[in-house]
Amino acid sequence: DAEITQSPRHKITETGRQVTLACHQTWNHNNMFWYRQDLGHGLRLIHYSYGVQDTNKGEVSDGYSVSRSNTEDLPLTLESAASSQTSVYFCASSASRLSDEQYFGPGTRLTVT
Amino acid sequence: AQSVSQHNHHVILSEAASLELGCNYSYGGTVNLFWYVQYPGQHLQLLLKYFSGDPLVKGIKGFEAEFIKSKFSFNLRKPSVQWSDTAEYFCAVIPYSGAGSYQLTFGKGTKLSVIP
Repeated sequence: DAEITQSPRHKITETGRQVTLACHQTWNHNNMFWYRQDLGHGLRLIHYSYGVQDTNKGEVSDGYSVSRSNTEDLPLTLESAASSQTSVYFCASSASRLSDEQYFGPGTRLTVT
Repeated sequence: AQSVSQHNHHVILSEAASLELGCNYSYGGTVNLFWYVQYPGQHLQLLLKYFSGDPLVKGIKGFEAEFIKSKFSFNLRKPSVQWSDTAEYFCAVIPYSGAGSYQLTFGKGTKLSVIP
C-alpha cells in the first residue's frame, strides 16, 4: 500500500543546531506540504512543492527551507533551531492542487532546548 | 488573507448525544471545503469534503456536513456520537484563487471528548 512516512518520529535538539526532518511518500504525488501543529493554532503551512525543483513559502516559512530533488521526498531543514520551533511537524501529499484530499504522515515531534 | 474559524475549542458530550461543530470561513469566492479528524496519537485523516453539487455531504463513520454559502459555513454533524469519536476535528478550506497556487488553510481545531 502507498504511504507517507516521516523520520525521525521524535527529535530533541539544541538551540542553534541545524536539523533536517525527512518526508517520503510512495503515492507518486506531485504535491507535497509541510505543516506545523501547535496548541491553539491548528495546522499552519510552512512550505510546499508542486513538483521536482519547485518550492514555495507558506504562512510560517521563516527559519525553514525545503528542497525537492525527486518526486518521493521533501526534506524540511531548520537552519538554526530556535525554541519557538518546538512543535509537531506533519508532512502531507496530494495528487491534485485543488480538489484532492491531502494524505498526512504520522508526524515528527521536535523539541528544541 | 483568508481565515477559518471554529467556534468551539473543546466540546464534551455523553455517548448518544448529537454533535454539531461550527466552521466559518472568510473567503468570498468559490472554495473547496474539508473536515479532517485526528484521533489521539494519530495523523490527520479526511472525514469528508465538498467541492460542488449537493450542499449536504456525507462522510465516513456517520458524519455529515452542510455547506451554506450565504453564511460562509460548513458545519459538521453526527446524530449520535460514540466514545470512539473522541478526537480533534479540523475544518479546512482551499479557495479558487486563479493563480495556480492552492493552499489549504486550517481552522484551529475543536477537541471532542465523548464520555461513556
